[in-house]
Amino acid sequence: DGGITQSPKYLFRKEGQNVTLSCEQNLNHDAMYWYRQDPGQGLRLIYYSQIVNDFQKGDIAEGYSVSREKKESFPLTVTSAQKNPTAFYLCASSIFRTGESNYGYTFGSGTRLTVV
Amino acid sequence: AQRVTQPEKLLSVFKGAPVELKCNYSYSGSPELFWYVQYSRQRLQLLLRHISRESIKGFTADLNKGETSFHLKKPFAQEEDSAMYYCALSADSGGSNYKLTFGKGTLLTVNP
Repeated sequence: DGGITQSPKYLFRKEGQNVTLSCEQNLNHDAMYWYRQDPGQGLRLIYYSQIVNDFQKGDIAEGYSVSREKKESFPLTVTSAQKNPTAFYLCASSIFRTGESNYGYTFGSGTRLTVV
Repeated sequence: AQRVTQPEKLLSVFKGAPVELKCNYSYSGSPELFWYVQYSRQRLQLLLRHISRESIKGFTADLNKGETSFHLKKPFAQEEDSAMYYCALSADSGGSNYKLTFGKGTLLTVNP
């Protein structure tokens, strides 16, 4: 069953802690993305990676870090420097071929992070 | 920088009525536009891409470069169309960067 899997579904973090959200895909997609979804704010891009061992900051990267050591995996770490981390986090993946049109993303089911 | 505006947070129509979800964008180049939909308790999924010029579930959207709009339309709304709809823009149609900028979304409710 091909797809993109995010875990855990719910995550509770104490203030001052770092937490890591998992995102794995078996679609053989080249590119992966992390978005944050807040009520009334839509989706805002945190980080993205178009190739293994390379990633770029999105619009709201402060307080977050990522790695892309394998094509299938793109974990997101929410650090203690992120001032307002409570949100719904979405991971996505896509084919990426230079010179071709964007085919659109496949999204995971999300992780809801709450700071307690 | 690119921007996507969905002016309506909420839109309510009756079953069988036409529906139009508005999307305007600002970008000086040639963008690629998308509509995504999120049904209750389901993941966000691609509805249609302007470049495909297709109709999905009865929905169509035409890119109007003069008005910088990409409105989503359906002539006869169904109750199962009730969902959150997001318009999104990919600024680089040359294919070197696939990141998407999303609007804030419109929650469509179709009443019986």
